[in-house]
Amino acid sequence: QPVLTQPPSVSGAPGQRVTISCTGSSSNIGAGYDVHWYQQLPGTAPKLLISVYTNRPSGVPDRFSGSKSGTSASLTITGLQAEDEADYYCQSYDSSLSYVFGTGTKVTVL
Amino acid sequence: QLVQSGGGVVQPGGSLRLSCAASGFTFSSYTMHWVRQAPGKGLEWVAVIWYNGSQKYYADSVKGRFTISRDNSKNTLYLQMNSLTAEDTAVYFCARAYSSGTTPWFDPWGQGTLVTVSS
Repeated sequence: QPVLTQPPSVSGAPGQRVTISCTGSSSNIGAGYDVHWYQQLPGTAPKLLISVYTNRPSGVPDRFSGSKSGTSASLTITGLQAEDEADYYCQSYDSSLSYVFGTGTKVTVL
Repeated sequence: QLVQSGGGVVQPGGSLRLSCAASGFTFSSYTMHWVRQAPGKGLEWVAVIWYNGSQKYYADSVKGRFTISRDNSKNTLYLQMNSLTAEDTAVYFCARAYSSGTTPWFDPWGQGTLVTVSS
């Protein structure tokens, strides 16, 4: 099963900026498939955070932003807040006819 | 809104059916997915069914054992799970697919239901 690789954890103090990378391959992100991001608070279902690399759904704070570069995507939280402590996942599609998720990143607010 | 039911404890080799009731949108117009999350692990895509049920695809890990289906007259999505093993122990989520580009995203998600395979 193809996967998208994310760092296991990132951390930062309140107000700082943190970035989570999502590295794919030529069969998913590199093939032109879009990347989306989800936030999962402890004990809850994932929630859509960013669609198609950069689009924030209504209600998502503008401190969350996304970008793309080659076969990778990134999620940046600018002005980290305590309530941002959660797991974050990227998601795309693979040419092997499979939807793929990133390995997940735990964000800790120091 | 997606409200899930089913789940529970089942013995290895057993079967279970999950349900996902949709409301607040035109269920019959949307492709639907199942995604699972093993305890302490990441998200794993499981299966997809087209809006009209005409096409279904599965992850290799469940192919031949799980069947996704839907009843558009009841606004309900199902996942029939057979020949369950310990590796199938996970929280299962249903999710609606939405797309404006090359790849659909999942929104909203059901609340999740725990399936535990244990003797």
